[in-house]
Amino acid sequence: QTVVTQEPSFSVSPGGTVTLTCGLTSGSVSTSYYPSWYQQTPGQAPRTLIYSTNSRSSGVPDRFSGSILGNKAALTITGAQADDESDYYCVLYMGSDHYVFGTGTKVTVL
Amino acid sequence: EVQLVESGGGLVQPGGSLRLSCAASGFTFSSSWMSWVRQAPGKGLEWVANIKQDGSEKYYVDSVKGRFTISRDNAKNSLYLQMNSLRAEDTAVYYCASDHYYGPNGHWGQGTLVIVSS
Repeated sequence: QTVVTQEPSFSVSPGGTVTLTCGLTSGSVSTSYYPSWYQQTPGQAPRTLIYSTNSRSSGVPDRFSGSILGNKAALTITGAQADDESDYYCVLYMGSDHYVFGTGTKVTVL
Repeated sequence: EVQLVESGGGLVQPGGSLRLSCAASGFTFSSSWMSWVRQAPGKGLEWVANIKQDGSEKYYVDSVKGRFTISRDNAKNSLYLQMNSLRAEDTAVYYCASDHYYGPNGHWGQGTLVIVSS
């Protein structure tokens, strides 16, 4: 069974830059997996940040950007702010209209 | 303003059934694939099912196949999830989400909590 892996946690300083990744236990992530990224704060619903690798959802600040880095999808937060402290999830399209979410990354801003 | 409002969650015994609803407004519901995504307490997100605009195609995660049925009523701008033979591991907050482009990456509802316990 394919597992989509993410770093368990990351810490970033206010104003700093952090890059989260989304990989596969077997194989490489490419644009054909149409990676999306979500932000979720405790007790709240997820919010879509990025779809189709690098397209920002409406209203998402441009300090959030998506890309493919090596064999993984990546979400970069540039100029981190206190309210970026959240859980971040990726999801990959696995074909046949099936999707698998990543394990999630907890980002702390301090 | 786009709104997705889930309802129908609650406490149910193992083996029981529950029907979740999601009322959509503020966008053209009939033009959107729609998904259900769940999140067990303290755990990550899990894609559960999705449905094409006209309801002609439906897909499920393996763990719910044969037990859950996704459906929609475009005249009522509503999405549904019929859940049968519920198990303890189905306990989660269930979110409905619109699919913008390859995945549940549009708008999300606030979720409804399903607890399967005796």
